[in-house]
Amino acid sequence: QKEVEQNSGPLSVPEGAIASLNCTYSDRGSQSFFWYRQYSGKSPELIMFIYSNGDKEDGRFTAQLNKASQYVSLLIRDSQPSDSATYLCAVTPPLVFGKGTRLSVIA
Amino acid sequence: DAEITQSPRHKITETGRQVTLACHQTWNHNNMFWYRQDLGHGLRLIHYSYGVQDTNKGEVSDGYSVSRSNTEDLPLTLESAASSQTSVYFCASSRGGQGNEQFFGPGTRLTVL
Repeated sequence: QKEVEQNSGPLSVPEGAIASLNCTYSDRGSQSFFWYRQYSGKSPELIMFIYSNGDKEDGRFTAQLNKASQYVSLLIRDSQPSDSATYLCAVTPPLVFGKGTRLSVIA
Repeated sequence: DAEITQSPRHKITETGRQVTLACHQTWNHNNMFWYRQDLGHGLRLIHYSYGVQDTNKGEVSDGYSVSRSNTEDLPLTLESAASSQTSVYFCASSRGGQGNEQFFGPGTRLTVL
């Protein structure tokens, strides 16, 4: 059974701080890694994807991938209350989602 | 604008009834997926399709079926609804290949009494 593990949280950070979300995966053959954000009662929406080892930055978001450690993370800089949501890590192949980490940004 | 829609958005049914949830996308994506989301379980893959006439079982396929007769639609059928199938159901699509990001529909909340 392929697994994607995330800390369920809640992760609480003050407004303006850096939020760090982590994800580990079990399948060394996985090649593509995605971070989705899901607000309560809404559908998941893609924030970032990463395929290669290292960092990928997009605005306030940075995805980090370490295939040797089977670890992918998402950093959110200058966290805002509007970032409060559940963040889902997804890995493929095969296609597996983690259960998500709930982030709360405190104003 | 291209989009992915699901209908109905809310459904209440009784145990033993057949239920079909619709999913329609206008992106012309080859890949379509059905998930269910439950507290404590996250998103779990039910069925998926990589093209017309192609269907595959996911992690939790028992009691569900799909068919893909065209590119735009992937309806999900519950053959005989059970209370354990009470959940929020999401449809998603992606362009092609295993690495492409998925776009999700708004979800259908199904209650089986």
